[in-house]
Amino acid sequence: GAVVSQHPSRVICKSGTSVKIECRSLDFQATTMFWYRQFPKQSLMLMATSNEGSKATYEQGVEKDKFLINHASLTLSTLTVTSAHPEDSSFYICSARSLRGKGRVLGDDGYTFGSGTRLTVV
Amino acid sequence: LAKTTQPISMDSYEGQEVNITCSHNNIATNDYITWYQQFPSQGPRFIIQGYKTKVTNEVASLFIPADRKSSTLSLPRVSLSDTAVYYCLVGDSQNTDKLIFGTGTRLQVFP
Repeated sequence: GAVVSQHPSRVICKSGTSVKIECRSLDFQATTMFWYRQFPKQSLMLMATSNEGSKATYEQGVEKDKFLINHASLTLSTLTVTSAHPEDSSFYICSARSLRGKGRVLGDDGYTFGSGTRLTVV
Repeated sequence: LAKTTQPISMDSYEGQEVNITCSHNNIATNDYITWYQQFPSQGPRFIIQGYKTKVTNEVASLFIPADRKSSTLSLPRVSLSDTAVYYCLVGDSQNTDKLIFGTGTRLQVFP
């Protein structure tokens, strides 16, 4: 089945530094990837939609200059948390959608999620 | 996107059948109903999707009444490993790429 690899799984960084998180679709191409943030005991919150070869679309309230998204190829999207602060500490999850999902060929909607990145800013 | 309402939490014991109901009163004609499972510190995993009546796969069953204003995820004979958060999502995945998660139901299975 479709696999999405997300790295790193955990990262601790100092306040004021930047952290890059990678999301790769291993066995399929994904023109669209998604980035979510999840705080403890809360649901996933969609941050942005990453489109290959174009600018990302950010959800309302998400600072695009703070959360830089690059989707340079059909298999890789990166999220960079710039000038991280303790309040940015969270669980970040990416998702990619395979083209088969739109056709419902396999009976699911084609979304595959990465295993998440636990970011701790100290 | 239709808003969904689920119970915040549920408890069960191993071997029991668990039914989690989701309300989606404003579901649109083109919307499908999808359920995801999430274990702690992991990304969500697709469980099942349906449009109407009943859908069954190797993991679960999904019951959708005729008015489609609600749906019930049924997990037969749960085990400890089914302890997770279950999310009900409603949307037209043919025409939109966004997946918007609601609050989810935290299922705790006891021995």
